[in-house]
Amino acid sequence: QVQLVQSGSELKKPGASVKVSCKASGYTFTCCAMNWVRQAPGQGLEWMGWINTNTGNPTYAQGFTGRFVFSLDTSVSTAYLQISSLKAEDTAVYYCARRTGYGFDIWGQGTMVTVSS
Amino acid sequence: QSALTQPPSASGSPGQSVTISCTGTSGDVGGYNYVSWYQQHPGKAPKLMIYEVSKRPSGVPDRFSGSKSGNTASLTVSGLQAEDEADYYCSSYAGSNNYVFGTGTKVTVL
Repeated sequence: QVQLVQSGSELKKPGASVKVSCKASGYTFTCCAMNWVRQAPGQGLEWMGWINTNTGNPTYAQGFTGRFVFSLDTSVSTAYLQISSLKAEDTAVYYCARRTGYGFDIWGQGTMVTVSS
Repeated sequence: QSALTQPPSASGSPGQSVTISCTGTSGDVGGYNYVSWYQQHPGKAPKLMIYEVSKRPSGVPDRFSGSKSGNTASLTVSGLQAEDEADYYCSSYAGSNNYVFGTGTKVTVL
């Protein structure tokens, strides 16, 4: 079936980096844009941006430039989110979400990233 | 890009209807017919319930409906059931390949 499976929870120290993976299956990976969404503990959803799975061109939302990088490995149908120079306020669940048309129709299960010394 | 405005909470008894609003601007909700709605149960990933203002994906009950007037979109859940208790988020295309989510509404089934 169509699904996105994300990598497991991460515990990192401030200043470190983390790379979250999102593996797609059940559909042609390059059909659809891959988006990233952040949800801080007890907070709402925040759109981080998306990556064009055909060209690899990323688009970052305001507030997610500089330390955040979207990338792909189309050979294994996987999208990645890398966050560098981690801060405590980066503690959140990060979701990948497929976008077809103008709706996010398939979501990964989420990856909890905890930043703590 | 500012988050779309939703009421923090809404409630209704089983069988009743509840309507959630989602207010944006002419640069997002009002400018495009690309509003979608998501249901999120605690500890779970969001689920697409409505896209392009009023279209339902396959498998979503017809108790869920969407509409839009000006800069405000709405989600109505008719015939409330216990399993409808969840957080609901709207989202809109905001131009230039950008999207924005709403602040979220917690729906309680009394």
